[in-house]
Amino acid sequence: DVKVTQSSRYLVKRTGEKVFLECVQDMDHENMFWYRQDPGLGLRLIYFSYDVKMKEKGDIPEGYSVSREKKERFSLILESASTNQTSMYLCASSFSGRLTYNEQFFGPGTRLTVL
Amino acid sequence: DQQVKQNSPSLSVQEGRISILNCDYTNSMFDYFLWYKKYPAEGPTFLISISSIKDKNEDGRFTVFLNKSAKHLSLHIVPSQPGDSAVYFCAASGGGRNNNDMRFGAGTRLTVKP
Repeated sequence: DVKVTQSSRYLVKRTGEKVFLECVQDMDHENMFWYRQDPGLGLRLIYFSYDVKMKEKGDIPEGYSVSREKKERFSLILESASTNQTSMYLCASSFSGRLTYNEQFFGPGTRLTVL
Repeated sequence: DQQVKQNSPSLSVQEGRISILNCDYTNSMFDYFLWYKKYPAEGPTFLISISSIKDKNEDGRFTVFLNKSAKHLSLHIVPSQPGDSAVYFCAASGGGRNNNDMRFGAGTRLTVKP
């Protein structure tokens, strides 16, 4: 059974703190993604990675960075958390597809509140 | 600028009737479309997809229709069941360096009343 896990379901941090969100997948997927979900805006892509040590900016990368040192793990970093980063964060993974399309598998999400 | 739009934030239908969820897209490079279903406190799960070479794809009670000229797709659920109550996201892919880049709509919350 495929699995994407995220380190925390709920997280409360203070403005200015450095925040790490961890995601691990056990499906040997090449691609990993970080989204945030906000009411009325749906899922917006923050960063993604095609391979270890590779990263690409999504639609809203400002205020975020990522790290992928191992194939199964993709971390999202908020260097200095701000209140407008309060959101649900979703991690996903998929097989690589140059010639085919592959569905993404999602983790359960991390509800981050920045006070 | 949202490239994938779901203009109905919510939809309520009676059990046994048809649910129709709509989605529009603006990027003509998209050529693969997916629907995801999300329950509260869970991540989205894949439901059904369609390639741009088709105009219809069926999987049990779920059918997705694609109208490329109108840049519009819809998800039909027949018959609707209370367990179908969830948020449905439309997603589109294609045209990028990696075929797995996806853009999602804002979601439609479906409520199926018993």
